[in-house]
Amino acid sequence: KQEVTQIPAALSVPEGENLVLNCSFTDSAIYNLQWFRQDPGKGLTSLLLIQSSQREQTSGRLNASLDKSSGRSTLYIAASQPGDSATYLCAVRAEGTYKYIFGTGTRLKVLA
Amino acid sequence: AAGVIQSPRHLIKEKRETATLKCYPIPRHDTVYWYQQGPGQDPQFLISFYEKMQSDKGSIPDRFSAQQFSDYHSELNMSSLELGDSALYFCASTQLGTEGYGYTFGSGTRLTVV
Repeated sequence: KQEVTQIPAALSVPEGENLVLNCSFTDSAIYNLQWFRQDPGKGLTSLLLIQSSQREQTSGRLNASLDKSSGRSTLYIAASQPGDSATYLCAVRAEGTYKYIFGTGTRLKVLA
Repeated sequence: AAGVIQSPRHLIKEKRETATLKCYPIPRHDTVYWYQQGPGQDPQFLISFYEKMQSDKGSIPDRFSAQQFSDYHSELNMSSLELGDSALYFCASTQLGTEGYGYTFGSGTRLTVV
């Protein structure tokens, strides 16, 4: 059974710092991995999608990497801003399925 | 660009009542997924539909049922509501057959059972 874990569970940093969020999954047989952002009480916004054959994806200040064999992905946020404060969730889609399994999330707070 | 539309945005029901949540996928998307997110929890997969047929089933209670209609919109019907059903209910849509598809989520329906 696929399990997805995110570390740290919560993170508080001063504005301007570069930071790394970690996601690990127990079954490396994945089709792809997606990173989401969720503001309190709001919906899920897709940030980056990485296919199993890819090593990384970039969008603006965000960079996501994938090491499928070791069951890990990282989300790198450069020059963090208070507007980045949110919960970040990673989700993996296992091979042979269409559903995503979500991680436990990292609650990020960027202080002005 | 059109997004996934969910209605209603908020819903308050009493215990043992029935609720119906609706999801309108992005045009040309043929697959719909339903997720439940309890307070402080990660989203949990409930059920999915592809071309109006159930494609996968997760931890959906027997009190819940869902279907996808000919126009691809989907409805989640919840009966005999319990306090523990209070949660955010998300719908996502995709177009299968498109290599490397990802999810696009709606804004969710917040259900409060009192």
